[in-house]
Amino acid sequence: QITLKESGPTLVKPTQTLTLTCTFSGFSLTTSGEGVGWIRQPPGKALEWLTVIYWNDYNRYSPSLSSRLTITKDTSQNQVVLTLTNMGPVDTGTYYCAHISGYNSPADWFDTWGQGTLVTVSS
Amino acid sequence: SYDLTQPPSVSVSPGRTASITCSGDKLGDKYTSWFQQRPGQSPVLVIFQNNKRPSTIPARFSGSNSGNTATLTISGTQAMDEADYYCQAWASRNVVFGGGTKLTVL
Repeated sequence: QITLKESGPTLVKPTQTLTLTCTFSGFSLTTSGEGVGWIRQPPGKALEWLTVIYWNDYNRYSPSLSSRLTITKDTSQNQVVLTLTNMGPVDTGTYYCAHISGYNSPADWFDTWGQGTLVTVSS
Repeated sequence: SYDLTQPPSVSVSPGRTASITCSGDKLGDKYTSWFQQRPGQSPVLVIFQNNKRPSTIPARFSGSNSGNTATLTISGTQAMDEADYYCQAWASRNVVFGGGTKLTVL
């Protein structure tokens, strides 16, 4: 059974850097084809994709946020870490990590999601 | 950038069939997934690779994708199906989500 859980601060100040950790079980990011993605959702709004990383360190970033985003993995801890710099009020929302099933291809799918963590940006 | 367009809302009577569309340029050439999100909950995958269902999803959920439109169909809609639904596809190796459709069962 695959599970994922997001952790990190619930409140950050404008201009600060957000660091969120996704801790997972039931799969390993040393196994071919495995991947993890981050998606966020402002209150009352739609899902927005942020980034993905795969077992082979292949990664992609949302073009609109690529200059502010970094994703890394720690296979020994079964964790994926997201950093988002220069936070502003528009970055307020629930941040989800999700497991990617597939082959590191456009046929992949997000099959299991974490419970999400609400991050508020306010001074 | 690539855009996916969904109707903001769809209404259906209990027991009837609901269809939710997702439109994008040559979307039929891509694989589409669909997610259900109930209020206060995380999204749940209901369809992947256009028309495949996870084993935990009821058979009343089905999907198709052709031309510029992918469609999520819910047959015999139940009250518990009332939720927001999002389509998703990959474009130029990036992930794109639609704007979401609120399904109301009344």
